[in-house]
Amino acid sequence: EVQLVESGGGLVQPGGSLRLSCAASGFTFSSYWMSWVRQAPGKGLEWVANIKQDGSEKYYVDSVKGRFTISRDNAKNSLYLQMNSLRAEDTAEYYCGRDTGKLDYWGQGTLVTVSS
Amino acid sequence: SYVLTQPPSVSVAPGQTARITCGGNNIGSKSVHWYQQKPGQAPVLVVYDDSDRPSGIPERFSGSNSGNTATLTISRVETGDEADYYCQVWDSSSDHWVFGGGTKLTVL
Repeated sequence: EVQLVESGGGLVQPGGSLRLSCAASGFTFSSYWMSWVRQAPGKGLEWVANIKQDGSEKYYVDSVKGRFTISRDNAKNSLYLQMNSLRAEDTAEYYCGRDTGKLDYWGQGTLVTVSS
Repeated sequence: SYVLTQPPSVSVAPGQTARITCGGNNIGSKSVHWYQQKPGQAPVLVVYDDSDRPSGIPERFSGSNSGNTATLTISRVETGDEADYYCQVWDSSSDHWVFGGGTKLTVL
């Protein structure tokens, strides 16, 4: 059974940093693109970033370029999102998803709150 | 950047057919995916590549895509179908996934 479990969310002050993790199981993690998607409270879905199987290609939504970094450790079946220079507008539930040309599996999300 | 436009809300009576549209410039040339999200839950893929269904998704869910509009059709709507629905495409010109704004389906 495919499982994706996010962790690392929490309350952080504006300008601060946070690292999200997504632990994958039930499939060959190293064979798939992976994505991060976020959802601000009461708002719609927004794709954040994705990464190729070997980490050689990464893409980001413009609003996080230069502040967020997506990475993966295939030996640990884990996906990461390093978030720096956080802003109030980054407050959201963050989901990881298996990216097969569509997001066919999603985690349950981890909440990031940016507030002083 | 590529924009997908969905109606904010659609209402339908139980047993009727709901149609949720997703508009985009020449969207018919792209593969469209649809997600269902119930309150407090993660999104679930219900239709992919315009009209295919993942295993476990009822046949009542179907999709079409042509011209500037893609449509998710839910036949014989049930109260359990009440949820937010999002369309999604890959914008190859910007290498970005793009989501529509979402449509809240209300079952009256």
